[in-house]
Amino acid sequence: NAGVTQTPKFQVLKTGQSMTLQCAQDMNHEYMSWYRQDPGMGLRLIHYSVGAGITDQGEVPNGYNVSRSTTEDFPLRLLSAAPSQTSVYFCATNEAGTFLEAEQYFGPGTRLTVT
Amino acid sequence: AQKITQTQPGMFVQEKEAVTLDCTYDTSDPSYGLFWYKQPSSGEMIFLIYQGSYDQQNATEGRYSLNFQKARKSANLVISASQLGDSAMYFCAMTLQGNTGNQFYFGTGTSLTVIP
Repeated sequence: NAGVTQTPKFQVLKTGQSMTLQCAQDMNHEYMSWYRQDPGMGLRLIHYSVGAGITDQGEVPNGYNVSRSTTEDFPLRLLSAAPSQTSVYFCATNEAGTFLEAEQYFGPGTRLTVT
Repeated sequence: AQKITQTQPGMFVQEKEAVTLDCTYDTSDPSYGLFWYKQPSSGEMIFLIYQGSYDQQNATEGRYSLNFQKARKSANLVISASQLGDSAMYFCAMTLQGNTGNQFYFGTGTSLTVIP
């Protein structure tokens, strides 16, 4: 099992460009989420999904879109990249039925730089 | 408002000694989960330990234990018999399932260095 995979590992964008960060899991988990990690800020929740067709906002959703058409995939879209979106992005999964106590499984991260 | 506070940006511990990493949290919800994650320099996030808000006993996982003091809203991580491989960033986190949906809050982390 691959667990949680993210592509690409590294990306450089120019301001105003768009791109999609990919996240896929083979753990059959209902719950998937996206975080960004900035120096000195810890991880902050961007968007999450409790199942196919259902998404919701986290703490810092502005500038990002998500959709969940399958259990396995949860892409994160940057519509018009800004330097403030330079960060490391983590995708994570867990079993939705026990959200409060569920361990999160993280992908390896995508390091994004916006110039 | 900060939901999770980790006041120790950096900590040092001698190999084989025990170390406590501090974490305080802020919520009025009666139901929540508390977690600790480790992030080595390679960047991946590794789950260490979980404590539920209704759990009466402190959680333990091998050399890790969580000192849960509900009245003080603290959830400190204790690592016993430190090893060189314990050098990493450590994040305290909390899950909430409230009116605004499922939320997951992380602290800013503590960098632990184990000295040989």
